[in-house]
Amino acid sequence: QLVESGGDLVQPGGSLRLSCVASGFTFGSNWMTWVRQAPGKGLEWVAHINFDGSETDYVDSVEGRFTISRDNAKNSVYLQMNSLRAEDTGVYYCARLMVKWPPINFDYWGQGNLVTVSS
Amino acid sequence: QSVLTQPPSVSAAPGQKVTISCSGSSSSFENSHVSWYQDLPGLAPKLLIFETNGRPSGIPDRFSGSKSGMSATLGITGLQTEDEAHYYCVIWDSGLRSVLFGGGTRLTVL
Repeated sequence: QLVESGGDLVQPGGSLRLSCVASGFTFGSNWMTWVRQAPGKGLEWVAHINFDGSETDYVDSVEGRFTISRDNAKNSVYLQMNSLRAEDTGVYYCARLMVKWPPINFDYWGQGNLVTVSS
Repeated sequence: QSVLTQPPSVSAAPGQKVTISCSGSSSSFENSHVSWYQDLPGLAPKLLIFETNGRPSGIPDRFSGSKSGMSATLGITGLQTEDEAHYYCVIWDSGLRSVLFGGGTRLTVL
């Protein structure tokens, strides 16, 4: 199970931190990812992180503004979002990656958290 | 820049078969497995197909995946009304080190 929190209404240029707490599996054995969906739009991958946090990748549009991190002791993955823009508005999902390569197999998803960037 | 192209919509009658295509535009597509996701309104997306043609536990064999060259296909047989959803293909672009989603296809079961 993946439970997300932290979604909110924030002004452009502001910051927000999303959290996702995992249960029911050995958290440190899986890569984790964040995927978002703007209102009425398709799914967009945002970032992923490897087992111990030593490797991360981001979609170009958030590189330098968003940071994905994890705390295996707390079974949690985070998404720190800075310099938020209106186009970052959407539902953000955390998801677990299957232990397979390439890192495109998201087998468990959270319920989604709404982030709204607006003045 | 790698792009995945899907038809915006497809439709078929209950009980029939439908295929959804996903076309790639770079060598990354040829070199990557393809995954497929089902997105139902109000629910979290669901993994339907992994490694191009594998099905996670619990996904019925009505769903199938294939790939040839620069194109991948999701097949759904025995269509049911509950299959009405958006479907997305996904690849890994190793050059960009990026996960790419297709634009999505809306399936209507008439």
